[in-house]
Amino acid sequence: EIVLTQSPGTLSLSPGERATLSCRASQSFSSSFLAWYQHRPGQAPRVLIYAASSRATGIPDRFSGSGSGTDFTLTISRLEPEDFAVYYCHQYGSSPQTFGQGTKVEIK
Amino acid sequence: QVQLVQSGAEVKKPGSSVKVSCKTSGGSFSASSITWVRQAPGQGLEWMGKILPLLDIANYAQKFQDRVTITADKSTTTSYMELRSLGSEDTAIYYCATDLPLYNWGQGTLVTVSS
Repeated sequence: EIVLTQSPGTLSLSPGERATLSCRASQSFSSSFLAWYQHRPGQAPRVLIYAASSRATGIPDRFSGSGSGTDFTLTISRLEPEDFAVYYCHQYGSSPQTFGQGTKVEIK
Repeated sequence: QVQLVQSGAEVKKPGSSVKVSCKTSGGSFSASSITWVRQAPGQGLEWMGKILPLLDIANYAQKFQDRVTITADKSTTTSYMELRSLGSEDTAIYYCATDLPLYNWGQGTLVTVSS
């Protein structure tokens, strides 16, 4: 099973600042199968990035993803008020699929 | 536009079972995969398993292997997730989602296990 470890657990930032979230895998896998989701309280998660760096339909370009092998990054270039939420990475290339434990981006 | 509508909240006794439904519309049910994910209070997302309706093949996380069954009814484009031998640790919001990555999500179903 591929274990995904996200860091930091919580990121305290102000609107307009840049957020950098990390997702590290216990073993290397194809970046074609790495996604990032945003999860706001009371809502279903929504996919932001798939294949490590491709933005999903309708996702603003302030969200970007990068990485390969075992190290992946989600960057939010300038935080908007609606971006304060929990973010999860997800690998779906090998079974069982796994999620990271999440990074909470909170208002400082 | 693909929509997933899940069944309503449930309250269950320890040791009992729950069956949550996920009705899909607006997409190709048979051509997609249906994944079930849960979130316990204060916890992260947890992958439970998925099914390929076209092949009627399901696979599960080892943690749930012995007590979960995911099915798909192509005639009604509905997937079901049954979890047996419920304990308090199964109190969670259960989500269904389609495709990979998980593009379309249901609204979630709260299952509360309490005596």
